[in-house]
Amino acid sequence: EAQVTQNPRYLITVTGKKLTVTCSQNMNHEYMSWYRQDPGLGLRQIYYSMNVEVTDKGDVPEGYKVSRKEKRNFPLILESPSPNQTSLYFCASSSPGQMNTEAFFGQGTRLTVV
Amino acid sequence: AQSVTQLDSQVPVFEEAPVELRCNYSSSVSVYLFWYVQYPNQGLQLLLKYLSGSTLVKGINGFEAEFNKSQTSFHLRKPSVHISDTAEYFCAVRKSGGYQKVTFGTGTKLQVIP
Repeated sequence: EAQVTQNPRYLITVTGKKLTVTCSQNMNHEYMSWYRQDPGLGLRQIYYSMNVEVTDKGDVPEGYKVSRKEKRNFPLILESPSPNQTSLYFCASSSPGQMNTEAFFGQGTRLTVV
Repeated sequence: AQSVTQLDSQVPVFEEAPVELRCNYSSSVSVYLFWYVQYPNQGLQLLLKYLSGSTLVKGINGFEAEFNKSQTSFHLRKPSVHISDTAEYFCAVRKSGGYQKVTFGTGTKLQVIP
């Protein structure tokens, strides 16, 4: 089954404790993105990657890092989480054949930073 | 810079009644337009997209949208809604050609009343 898998689905952590949210897709997609969803603000892009070792900032990259060492994986790293990073996070992927859309989204990761 | 406006944050409608969810965009260049649906505790699913050609686009679950370039709108419609259509709907835009950042609207919650 074609899918984007995020882990964990839910996470509560404390301020300053480094964490990683994993994202993996099994569709051989070149393009992957991370978004955060906040009430009243919709989805805002954090980072995106056009291929292995190629990443770039989105609209709200501050406080986040990403890496793309393998095509299928695109982890989101919060080196020192703060309460304002409490949000719902989504990973998405698409391929050049579907490059006109963000075709597949993960189920989301709800992060709470206390 | 591109932007998307969804003026209605919530739209209540009775079951079997028609519905229109409004979306207006702003961009100085040609764009692609999308509607996504998000059911509770799930990721986003593509409903339909406009890339070029016919301005009336049909999507899944009986939804359709019409691209109006002069009014810079891409409103989503359904002639008869069902309880199962209760969800949040997001309009999105990106520049045409190549891989470009997708900008989402703030979302419209459709509440179908039995």
